[in-house]
Amino acid sequence: AQSVTQLDSHVSVSEGTPVLLRCNYSSSYSPSLFWYVQHPNKGLQLLLKYTSAATLVKGINGFEAEFKKSETSFHLTKPSAHMSDAAEYFCVVSGGAAGNKLTFGGGTRVLVKP
Amino acid sequence: ETGVTQTPRHLVMGMTNKKSLKCEQHLGHNAMYWYKQSAKKPLELMFVYNFKEQTENNSVPSRFSPECPNSSHLFLHLHTLQPEDSALYLCASSQQGYSNQPQHFGDGTRLSIL
Repeated sequence: AQSVTQLDSHVSVSEGTPVLLRCNYSSSYSPSLFWYVQHPNKGLQLLLKYTSAATLVKGINGFEAEFKKSETSFHLTKPSAHMSDAAEYFCVVSGGAAGNKLTFGGGTRVLVKP
Repeated sequence: ETGVTQTPRHLVMGMTNKKSLKCEQHLGHNAMYWYKQSAKKPLELMFVYNFKEQTENNSVPSRFSPECPNSSHLFLHLHTLQPEDSALYLCASSQQGYSNQPQHFGDGTRLSIL
């Protein structure tokens, strides 16, 4: 079985400061990992994905994530937060015995203060 | 740009009503998904269709009945729902039902059961 744990349910940052969203996963196989963002009253939008290529993955809107197999982590970062980054972020794992099923983390809600 | 369109965006219905949710994707994908998103709960996969064939039913009650007439359209027929079925229902699509392919989401239908 696979699982995803997002270590913070809420993160508050000031505009212009770095953002760190933490994600740990459990998978019996080499997983595919994704980060999605959901703005209010919207669906989920793909930020980036890891599929066993480079361990540092660059995504849209200045976000990036690093796959660390030894730590079973896939943390999402952005050097400088913008007001438009206020949203909910989901770490997602898939692959292996679960096939095409995505397993979602519980989400991290990001608040950006002016 | 979403590429996946869901209608209606909002739906209020009584427990004895029959209604349908519609999803249409313009991405040329072959796999389509229904998810339920409830407050304070992780996203729940409901159904998966791959090349119009249902490949996953995640123990969903029979009051939810999916239909996939072709690879571009997906419906969710609703009948005698319960108050706990109030949620955001999200449709997604992917190229095929493979684990390393990201899913593209619609903006969802907000369903309220009276």
